[in-house]
Amino acid sequence: NAGVTQTPKFRVLKTGQSMTLLCAQDMNHEYMYWYRQDPGMGLRLIHYSVGEGTTAKGEVPDGYNVSRLKKQNFLLGLESAAPSQTSVYFCASRSGQNTGELFFGEGSRLTVL
Amino acid sequence: AQSVTQPDIHITVSEGASLELRCNYSYGATPYLFWYVQSPGQGLQLLLKYFSGDTLVQGIKGFEAEFKRSQSSFNLRKPSVHWSDAAEYFCAVGARETSGSRLTFGEGTQLTVNP
Repeated sequence: NAGVTQTPKFRVLKTGQSMTLLCAQDMNHEYMYWYRQDPGMGLRLIHYSVGEGTTAKGEVPDGYNVSRLKKQNFLLGLESAAPSQTSVYFCASRSGQNTGELFFGEGSRLTVL
Repeated sequence: AQSVTQPDIHITVSEGASLELRCNYSYGATPYLFWYVQSPGQGLQLLLKYFSGDTLVQGIKGFEAEFKRSQSSFNLRKPSVHWSDAAEYFCAVGARETSGSRLTFGEGTQLTVNP
């Protein structure tokens, strides 16, 4: 019973490097989200998707790109990592039928040196 | 746009004591309201939610929350705290016009439980 799976769970990057975080959900959910969590700031929405092939910007989209080519996957990319992107990243999904309840992955801790 | 404030960054209670975590929101109408809990190294788990109807909602693990429109609040309560309740708690609000498709989270309240 996997739910929402994020890979990798930990990553260390140097400034300027690129990387992709993968989120996979096996619940056939329509909506998927990427949040970042920083101390004292709660969770802030980076990008989200309301269906396959669609994406939209959240509160803090700058420096990130996303793609939703398959319904079950939502990728978060950093083209040129910066120290300000050091954070814990959470993916979440929800059914289009179920108002508001999000199911979260366990998080991916990214450090940019 | 909606917003959420959790005034208490950190709360410490003794095991067996009662608990109340505060949440205030800003939104033009009645929003969707949620409380999530995060254990160390884990993702967030839904405790309870309010959409409409009875303003006192029951959740998992013995938690409840009360929606008070006049105070724009949705405080979380538990009559007797257990050591396993130590975690971080997040209040969240969603807009009705988008069916809650985008949630805004508060800053979180870290709960410590003393034996």
